[in-house]
Amino acid sequence: DAGVIQSPRHEVTEMGQEVTLRCKPISGHDYLFWYRQTMMRGLELLIYFNNNVPIDDSGMPEDRFSAKMPNASFSTLKIQPSEPRDSAVYFCASSFGRDAPLYGYTFGSGTRLTVV
Amino acid sequence: AQSVTQLGSHVSVSEGALVLLRCNYSSSVPPYLFWYVQYPNQGLQLLLKYTSAATLVKGINGFEAEFKKSETSFHLTKPSAHMSDAAEYFCAVSLNRDDKIIFGKGTRLHILP
Repeated sequence: DAGVIQSPRHEVTEMGQEVTLRCKPISGHDYLFWYRQTMMRGLELLIYFNNNVPIDDSGMPEDRFSAKMPNASFSTLKIQPSEPRDSAVYFCASSFGRDAPLYGYTFGSGTRLTVV
Repeated sequence: AQSVTQLGSHVSVSEGALVLLRCNYSSSVPPYLFWYVQYPNQGLQLLLKYTSAATLVKGINGFEAEFKKSETSFHLTKPSAHMSDAAEYFCAVSLNRDDKIIFGKGTRLHILP
């Protein structure tokens, strides 16, 4: 398996523009997580899905952020409009079944977002 | 709510010296505990995990961690540091099999030649 695949690896955009980050989880994994990593706040859980259904979105910072999982092999995280304070590395992770905490998560390589 | 505290955002050790990265957890029930490692420009990788079996857990690359309930700690150690160990290390906690994993703020390990 190729692991969790995120695209793009780097994104530079202007303030006010819409940004879409993409994630392909490991085939067969039924949990998908979106994290944001910054120097100031560390690694924050934004939202997670189980069987394509959002379970907990309490970490989504504000209405400008939205996430979807239209099928088991694809998820998007969208920011509209983007702001400089959204600059961070965004990670996607996936895991299998109720035993997810027992086996840990598999992380993608991240998308480094810079909003200028 | 559960949480983890990592003491020291940066730790420096000489090559060949003992590595000790500290993690304390807060949980009302026996937790699941993890250490993850993040190399530059990469995602996080699972280093080792504690899931209520043996209290001394061995992971990859010679790392190990000991669960001490009396001290609510799960410190990560390696007897002899190698230059390739330079990375950021995250302690994490989960309350049960259905719960999400909460990460600490991370400790960046620097290896001095």
